[in-house]
Amino acid sequence: GENVEQHPSTLSVQEGDSAVIKCTYSDSASNYFPWYKQELGKGPQLIIDIRSNVGEKKDQRIAVTLNKTAKHFSLHITETQPEDSAVYFCAASKGGGSYIPTFGRGTSLIVHP
Amino acid sequence: DTAVSQTPKYLVTQMGNDKSIKCEQNLGHDTMYWYKQDSKKFLKIMFSYNNKELIINETVPNRFSPKSPDKAHLNLHINSLELGDSAVYFCASSQDLRDQPQHFGDGTRLSIL
Repeated sequence: GENVEQHPSTLSVQEGDSAVIKCTYSDSASNYFPWYKQELGKGPQLIIDIRSNVGEKKDQRIAVTLNKTAKHFSLHITETQPEDSAVYFCAASKGGGSYIPTFGRGTSLIVHP
Repeated sequence: DTAVSQTPKYLVTQMGNDKSIKCEQNLGHDTMYWYKQDSKKFLKIMFSYNNKELIINETVPNRFSPKSPDKAHLNLHINSLELGDSAVYFCASSQDLRDQPQHFGDGTRLSIL
Protein backbone atom coordinates (compact mmCIF):
# COMPACT_ATOMS: atom_id res chain seq x y z
CA GLY A 1 0.00 0.00 0.00
CA GLU A 2 0.87 3.67 -0.02
CA ASN A 3 3.46 5.00 2.41
CA VAL A 4 3.78 8.72 3.11
CA GLU A 5 6.82 10.11 4.93
CA GLN A 6 6.66 13.65 6.32
CA HIS A 7 9.53 15.82 7.58
CA PRO A 8 10.33 17.49 9.84
CA SER A 9 8.22 16.34 12.78
CA THR A 10 8.73 19.69 14.49
CA LEU A 11 9.54 23.05 12.93
CA SER A 12 10.22 26.20 14.92
CA VAL A 13 10.48 29.56 13.12
CA GLN A 14 10.41 33.25 13.91
CA GLU A 15 7.43 35.32 12.85
CA GLY A 16 7.96 36.55 9.31
CA ASP A 17 10.20 33.65 8.30
CA SER A 18 9.25 31.03 5.74
CA ALA A 19 8.42 27.42 6.63
CA VAL A 20 8.76 24.38 4.40
CA ILE A 21 7.34 20.93 5.12
CA LYS A 22 8.21 18.01 2.85
CA CYS A 23 6.47 14.74 2.07
CA THR A 24 7.41 11.74 -0.03
CA TYR A 25 5.09 8.99 -1.21
CA SER A 26 5.68 5.49 -2.50
CA ASP A 27 2.83 4.68 -4.90
CA SER A 28 3.40 6.25 -8.31
CA ALA A 29 -0.36 5.86 -9.01
CA SER A 30 -1.21 8.45 -6.34
CA ASN A 31 -2.68 11.53 -7.96
CA TYR A 32 -4.23 13.71 -5.24
CA PHE A 33 -2.22 15.45 -2.52
CA PRO A 34 -4.07 17.53 0.08
CA TRP A 35 -2.58 19.41 3.04
CA TYR A 36 -4.47 19.80 6.31
CA LYS A 37 -3.95 22.11 9.28
CA GLN A 38 -4.99 20.91 12.72
CA GLU A 39 -5.30 23.45 15.50
CA LEU A 40 -5.45 22.42 19.13
CA GLY A 41 -8.73 20.75 20.02
CA LYS A 42 -9.99 20.86 16.43
CA GLY A 43 -10.18 18.50 13.51
CA PRO A 44 -7.86 18.78 10.49
CA GLN A 45 -8.96 21.41 7.97
CA LEU A 46 -7.95 21.45 4.30
CA ILE A 47 -5.69 24.40 3.48
CA ILE A 48 -4.55 23.54 -0.03
CA ASP A 49 -4.44 20.59 -2.39
CA ILE A 50 -2.76 19.67 -5.66
CA ARG A 51 -3.44 17.10 -8.33
CA SER A 52 -0.89 15.19 -10.34
CA ASN A 53 -1.41 17.21 -13.52
CA VAL A 54 -0.19 20.38 -11.79
CA GLY A 55 3.33 21.17 -10.56
CA GLU A 56 2.60 24.10 -8.27
CA LYS A 57 -0.36 25.82 -6.69
CA LYS A 58 -0.51 29.02 -4.62
CA ASP A 59 -3.07 30.56 -2.31
CA GLN A 60 -1.91 33.81 -0.75
CA ARG A 61 0.89 32.93 1.69
CA ILE A 62 0.78 29.17 1.13
CA ALA A 63 1.96 27.17 -1.83
CA VAL A 64 2.37 23.50 -2.66
CA THR A 65 4.82 22.00 -5.16
CA LEU A 66 4.71 18.50 -6.61
CA ASN A 67 7.49 16.52 -8.24
CA LYS A 68 5.91 13.34 -9.63
CA THR A 69 9.20 11.95 -10.89
CA ALA A 70 10.79 12.14 -7.47
CA LYS A 71 7.48 11.36 -5.72
CA HIS A 72 7.62 14.24 -3.34
CA PHE A 73 5.54 17.30 -2.58
CA SER A 74 6.10 20.25 -0.27
CA LEU A 75 4.13 22.91 1.58
CA HIS A 76 5.58 26.41 1.67
CA ILE A 77 4.31 29.07 4.06
CA THR A 78 5.73 32.56 3.64
CA GLU A 79 5.63 35.46 6.13
CA THR A 80 4.61 33.14 8.95
CA GLN A 81 2.38 34.47 11.71
CA PRO A 82 1.74 33.13 15.23
CA GLU A 83 -1.70 31.93 14.09
CA ASP A 84 0.03 29.58 11.63
CA SER A 85 1.15 27.53 14.66
CA ALA A 86 -0.54 24.14 14.34
CA VAL A 87 0.05 20.56 13.23
CA TYR A 88 0.18 20.14 9.46
CA PHE A 89 -0.55 16.87 7.68
CA CYS A 90 0.15 15.88 4.12
CA ALA A 91 -1.79 13.06 2.46
CA ALA A 92 -1.75 11.09 -0.77
CA SER A 93 -4.40 9.04 -2.53
CA LYS A 94 -5.15 7.53 -5.91
CA GLY A 95 -8.91 7.75 -6.03
CA GLY A 96 -11.01 5.22 -7.77
CA GLY A 97 -13.70 3.19 -6.08
CA SER A 98 -11.77 2.64 -2.87
CA TYR A 99 -10.35 6.03 -2.10
CA ILE A 100 -8.09 5.54 0.90
CA PRO A 101 -6.06 8.61 1.80
CA THR A 102 -2.75 7.90 3.51
CA PHE A 103 -1.61 10.61 5.89
CA GLY A 104 1.88 11.64 6.87
CA ARG A 105 2.70 11.66 10.58
CA GLY A 106 2.31 15.41 10.91
CA THR A 107 4.57 18.42 11.47
CA SER A 108 4.16 20.60 14.52
CA LEU A 109 4.86 24.17 13.37
CA ILE A 110 5.64 26.71 16.04
CA VAL A 111 5.86 30.37 15.04
CA HIS A 112 7.50 32.56 17.68
CA PRO A 113 6.33 36.18 17.83
CA ASP B 1 -23.75 25.90 11.06
CA THR B 2 -21.24 23.15 11.84
CA ALA B 3 -20.60 21.09 8.70
CA VAL B 4 -19.52 17.85 10.44
CA SER B 5 -20.61 17.50 14.04
CA GLN B 6 -19.71 14.76 16.49
CA THR B 7 -21.10 13.99 19.91
CA PRO B 8 -19.94 13.71 22.56
CA LYS B 9 -16.77 15.82 22.50
CA TYR B 10 -15.37 13.99 25.53
CA LEU B 11 -16.07 10.46 26.67
CA VAL B 12 -14.58 9.06 29.87
CA THR B 13 -15.50 5.52 30.75
CA GLN B 14 -14.24 2.33 32.30
CA MET B 15 -12.68 -0.70 30.65
CA GLY B 16 -15.23 -3.24 29.50
CA ASN B 17 -18.03 -0.74 28.89
CA ASP B 18 -19.84 -0.21 25.57
CA LYS B 19 -20.10 3.29 24.14
CA SER B 20 -21.26 5.08 20.98
CA ILE B 21 -20.11 8.19 19.14
CA LYS B 22 -22.48 9.96 16.77
CA CYS B 23 -21.62 11.90 13.63
CA GLU B 24 -23.74 14.01 11.33
CA GLN B 25 -22.83 16.04 8.24
CA ASN B 26 -24.99 18.71 6.64
CA LEU B 27 -22.90 19.10 3.49
CA GLY B 28 -24.91 16.71 1.34
CA HIS B 29 -21.85 14.49 0.92
CA ASP B 30 -22.09 10.86 -0.14
CA THR B 31 -19.04 9.54 1.71
CA MET B 32 -18.22 9.46 5.42
CA TYR B 33 -15.24 8.18 7.38
CA TRP B 34 -14.02 7.37 10.86
CA TYR B 35 -10.40 8.02 11.81
CA LYS B 36 -8.45 7.27 14.97
CA GLN B 37 -5.74 9.71 16.08
CA ASP B 38 -3.31 8.38 18.66
CA SER B 39 -1.31 10.30 21.25
CA LYS B 40 1.44 10.96 18.68
CA LYS B 41 -1.11 12.58 16.35
CA PHE B 42 -0.99 9.75 13.80
CA LEU B 43 -4.25 9.70 11.79
CA LYS B 44 -5.39 6.25 10.73
CA ILE B 45 -8.51 5.52 8.74
CA MET B 46 -10.85 2.96 10.28
CA PHE B 47 -13.96 2.87 8.09
CA SER B 48 -15.46 4.50 5.05
CA TYR B 49 -19.11 4.48 3.97
CA ASN B 50 -20.51 5.61 0.65
CA ASN B 51 -24.25 6.14 0.41
CA LYS B 52 -24.75 4.08 3.57
CA GLU B 53 -22.68 1.17 2.26
CA LEU B 54 -19.42 0.03 3.83
CA ILE B 55 -16.52 0.63 1.43
CA ILE B 56 -13.42 0.46 3.57
CA ASN B 57 -12.86 -1.55 6.70
CA GLU B 58 -9.23 -1.35 7.70
CA THR B 59 -7.79 -3.80 10.21
CA VAL B 60 -10.01 -2.73 13.06
CA PRO B 61 -11.10 -5.11 15.85
CA ASN B 62 -14.67 -6.28 15.40
CA ARG B 63 -15.49 -4.64 18.74
CA PHE B 64 -15.85 -1.51 16.58
CA SER B 65 -19.06 -1.44 14.58
CA PRO B 66 -20.03 1.50 12.39
CA LYS B 67 -23.64 2.13 11.46
CA SER B 68 -24.99 4.47 8.81
CA PRO B 69 -28.76 4.96 9.10
CA ASP B 70 -28.67 7.44 6.21
CA LYS B 71 -25.95 9.10 4.20
CA ALA B 72 -25.84 12.12 6.54
CA HIS B 73 -25.05 10.03 9.61
CA LEU B 74 -22.28 7.62 10.52
CA ASN B 75 -22.17 6.40 14.10
CA LEU B 76 -19.48 4.33 15.78
CA HIS B 77 -20.28 1.79 18.46
CA ILE B 78 -17.49 0.25 20.51
CA ASN B 79 -17.97 -2.86 22.63
CA SER B 80 -15.87 -4.03 25.55
CA LEU B 81 -13.64 -0.97 25.65
CA GLU B 82 -9.92 -1.54 26.25
CA LEU B 83 -7.18 0.77 27.48
CA GLY B 84 -5.68 0.88 23.98
CA ASP B 85 -8.88 2.39 22.62
CA SER B 86 -8.02 5.69 24.30
CA ALA B 87 -7.57 8.17 21.45
CA VAL B 88 -9.31 10.98 19.60
CA TYR B 89 -11.82 9.72 17.03
CA PHE B 90 -12.61 11.91 14.05
CA CYS B 91 -15.52 11.69 11.72
CA ALA B 92 -15.08 13.13 8.23
CA SER B 93 -17.02 13.42 5.01
CA SER B 94 -16.24 14.02 1.34
CA GLN B 95 -18.41 14.67 -1.66
CA ASP B 96 -17.92 11.20 -3.09
CA LEU B 97 -15.33 8.45 -3.52
CA ARG B 98 -13.20 10.35 -6.00
CA ASP B 99 -10.23 12.42 -4.92
CA GLN B 100 -11.95 15.09 -2.88
CA PRO B 101 -10.98 17.04 0.21
CA GLN B 102 -12.28 15.69 3.45
CA HIS B 103 -14.20 17.75 5.99
CA PHE B 104 -13.47 16.71 9.57
CA GLY B 105 -15.44 17.08 12.75
CA ASP B 106 -13.73 18.38 15.88
CA GLY B 107 -13.21 14.91 17.32
CA THR B 108 -14.30 12.86 20.30
CA ARG B 109 -11.64 12.34 22.94
CA LEU B 110 -12.16 8.88 24.42
CA SER B 111 -10.41 8.11 27.70
CA ILE B 112 -10.54 4.64 29.21
CA LEU B 113 -9.96 4.38 32.95
